[in-house]
Amino acid sequence: NAGVMQNPRHLVRRRGQEARLRCSPMKGHSHVYWYRQLPEEGLKFMVYLQKENIIDESGMPKERFSAEFPKEGPSILRIQQVVRGDSAAYFCASSLSDTREAFFGQGTRLTVV
Amino acid sequence: KQEVTQIPAALSVPEGENLVLNCSFTDSAIYNLQWFRQDPGKGLTSLLLIQSSQREQTSGRLNASLDKSSGRSTLYIAASQPGDSATYLCAVHGGATNKLIFGTGTLLAVQP
Repeated sequence: NAGVMQNPRHLVRRRGQEARLRCSPMKGHSHVYWYRQLPEEGLKFMVYLQKENIIDESGMPKERFSAEFPKEGPSILRIQQVVRGDSAAYFCASSLSDTREAFFGQGTRLTVV
Repeated sequence: KQEVTQIPAALSVPEGENLVLNCSFTDSAIYNLQWFRQDPGKGLTSLLLIQSSQREQTSGRLNASLDKSSGRSTLYIAASQPGDSATYLCAVHGGATNKLIFGTGTLLAVQP
């Protein structure tokens, strides 16, 4: 059973471009969480999704950011019109339910140039 | 609003020493608490999960305790080794949507 898979591991985008970050949860896990970690800062919650539903997006910026977790396929975190301040490590975690152990992927490090 | 705090922010100890990392949370209505380890530039590795009904969990040289009523958890590391050097994070599953809320982390350096 592979762990949580995130790709790409590193992503470079120019200002104004779109960034798409993918997260494949562990087999059987239907709960996915996205977090952002800025340099020298802690993990900040962004969004919590179950299959086809957004449960909590209280940590998502109101503009340019969106997330989905379709019935089939990976969860996608999409950032439109990226700016330098979006440069960070983005981590995804999955769990069997909202009260079970969460497992993290290795992250996607986004650099906006 | 749930807030999770970790003390100390950084800790440096000589190899072989036993140490304790602290985590506190403001809302005791949690389902579980999880301790993670993060190495520089890497993802998070789950160390221990304590359910809200449990008092402690052990894995090798690690022991985590939970006092839900006082909003505190400790991670005890016995006979520390240089390979234990990393940032240690605690997180609680709680709040209205049971999302995972992280503490600020403790940066541990074990000197050989």
